[in-house]
Amino acid sequence: KQEVTQIPAALSVPEGENLVLNCSFTDSAIYNLQWFRQDPGKGLTSLLLIQSSQREQTSGRLNASLDKSSGRSTLYIAASQPGDSATYLCAVSPSNDMRFGAGTRLTVKP
Amino acid sequence: DAGVIQSPRHEVTEMGQEVTLRCKPISGHDYLFWYRQTMMRGLELLIYFNNNVPIDDSGMPEDRFSAKMPNASFSTLKIQPSEPRDSAVYFCASSSRPEGQPQHFGDGTRLSIL
Repeated sequence: KQEVTQIPAALSVPEGENLVLNCSFTDSAIYNLQWFRQDPGKGLTSLLLIQSSQREQTSGRLNASLDKSSGRSTLYIAASQPGDSATYLCAVSPSNDMRFGAGTRLTVKP
Repeated sequence: DAGVIQSPRHEVTEMGQEVTLRCKPISGHDYLFWYRQTMMRGLELLIYFNNNVPIDDSGMPEDRFSAKMPNASFSTLKIQPSEPRDSAVYFCASSSRPEGQPQHFGDGTRLSIL
């Protein structure tokens, strides 16, 4: 059974700092990996999707990498801002469904 | 596009009552997913549909839970009878091609069973 782990569970950084969020998964047979952002009381917003044949994806200040062989992904956020404060979830698709990690709660302090 | 629309946003009811949650997916999306989020268990997939047909309902916790998709623009998740442990946020999501396209989530229904 696919298990997804995110480390750390919570992270607090000062504004402007670069940071890395980690995600690991136990079964490398995946279609894709997605990073989501969740704000309190809201649904999930897809940030980046990396297909199984890809190694990384970039969007603005965000960069996500995927290493299927080691079962790891990282989300890099450059020059963090208070507006980046949210919970970030990683999810892998073993088929057409998805398995989520518990998330990393990020706080960026002004 | 209006995005995935869920209703109601909040539901408070007494145990034993029937609860019906509703979802309108994004037009043109062939896949629809129902998830449940709790502090203890995180985000769990309950069931998903492809072209209105249930494909995998292995995440549905008990026979008290049922889901239908009578047409491409509407789905329901029903709990009957409801229990306090069903209290959670229920999300609906849709996608056009899950292996290559992201899932789009609604804002969820916060369900409280007293």
